[in-house]
Amino acid sequence: DTEVTQTPKHLVMGMTNKKSLKCEQHMGHRAMYWYKQKAKKPPELMFVYSYEKLSINESVPSRFSPECPNSSLLNLHLHALQPEDSALYLCASSQDLAGAYNEQFFGPGTRLTVL
Amino acid sequence: GQQVMQIPQYQHVQEGEDFTTYCNSSTTLSNIQWYKQRPGGHPVFLIQLVKSGEVKKQKRLTFQFGEAKKNSSLHITATQTTDVGTYFCAADTGGFKTIFGAGTRLFVKA
Repeated sequence: DTEVTQTPKHLVMGMTNKKSLKCEQHMGHRAMYWYKQKAKKPPELMFVYSYEKLSINESVPSRFSPECPNSSLLNLHLHALQPEDSALYLCASSQDLAGAYNEQFFGPGTRLTVL
Repeated sequence: GQQVMQIPQYQHVQEGEDFTTYCNSSTTLSNIQWYKQRPGGHPVFLIQLVKSGEVKKQKRLTFQFGEAKKNSSLHITATQTTDVGTYFCAADTGGFKTIFGAGTRLFVKA
């Protein structure tokens, strides 16, 4: 299985809502990532988990809260988002962080709209 | 902060023409990766280059990593409509972070 799955595919939420994005991989990868991608822009790194521990937080606002319950799952909890947070949220995984093993496998993404 | 500059921003070609996109960094890179994102899709890994001066080929695609490990290119020979999409370079800056170039959008006219 070389697939990263993400749910939901689409999400519309109000600014007062709380929602969660989910990501799963069964490739035995030890690094997992959250990216945000705006239209016609490159993916922008948000968080990196390595061996289930948060390794990198790219100064993301606290209204985004990541969680790694186990080595296969990665969640992104959303609360009090702003309309400018509307974007495609991509999850990715790689065998390891550094060296020759950081080919990243991306999921299909969750397209988020904040009203 | 670390940046990877990618040009051109977009390119329109006639089917059968060649296409090249370039990435440049002001600092030495540990490695560089190339991804393709189809319209409405997600990035898909194409290749990783690690060694100085490395050249790799995948059918009609040729990838190069500069001798100084500060630049890279992706060349597509005889483009096809299936090549349409955005090509991103992505660099490992050595801090376990992957930084993506701005991407080159390729349009192929049949």
